[in-house]
Amino acid sequence: DAKTTQPPSMDCAEGRAANLPCNHSTISGNEYVYWYRQIHSQGPQYIIHGLKNNETNEMASLIITEDRKSSTLILPHATLRDTAVYYCIVRVGQPGSARQLTFGSGTQLTVLP
Amino acid sequence: DTGVSQDPRHKITKRGQNVTFRCDPISEHNRLYWYRQTLGQGPEFLTYFQNEAQLEKSRLLSDRFSAERPKGSFSTLEIQRTEQGDSAMYLCASSLGRGGDYEQYFGPGTRLTVT
Repeated sequence: DAKTTQPPSMDCAEGRAANLPCNHSTISGNEYVYWYRQIHSQGPQYIIHGLKNNETNEMASLIITEDRKSSTLILPHATLRDTAVYYCIVRVGQPGSARQLTFGSGTQLTVLP
Repeated sequence: DTGVSQDPRHKITKRGQNVTFRCDPISEHNRLYWYRQTLGQGPEFLTYFQNEAQLEKSRLLSDRFSAERPKGSFSTLEIQRTEQGDSAMYLCASSLGRGGDYEQYFGPGTRLTVT
């Protein structure tokens, strides 16, 4: 699975959009981009995933560049409860494949009041 | 609450003792994963079950570690002769195993402290 690079920490004002970048310059054609987050003292939580098109769900939007070498997770209106470590994961195979997740160190997002 | 439960939530043990953790996945999920997380790091994969079959094991899973999933329901992870380096959060996750199986649901974890 391709390696990812994320900034170690970011701050965001409450109510503003949080834009979390991820670099995955060695991604290959059959690798999906996944985002999970981990709130302190809890297990990781799935947020969103995508292959090459931009995706949106009730939690966030995922913007993948045309060359697929980087992506941005957008939390449109960050709240204090969004303070967490955010992990960008690149994983081979279709979503239905049984592949373990390979986590990096992630980005610690702190939402400030 | 994701529906995945783990027991105990915290375990303190002395070096050399054996410990066993339990994970109860979401009932209709046939895939179950174990991960380990040390302070400041992301979770690391340990092993994976499809129903009762253990299909993959990480090199992190030394011979002191054993995992089972009898009858394809709950799973146990046992660590024999614990060492201080085993101190970590042990996370269990489950997933549906068919169709749009892209989401792993994680439990709250068991925090192990070896003194």
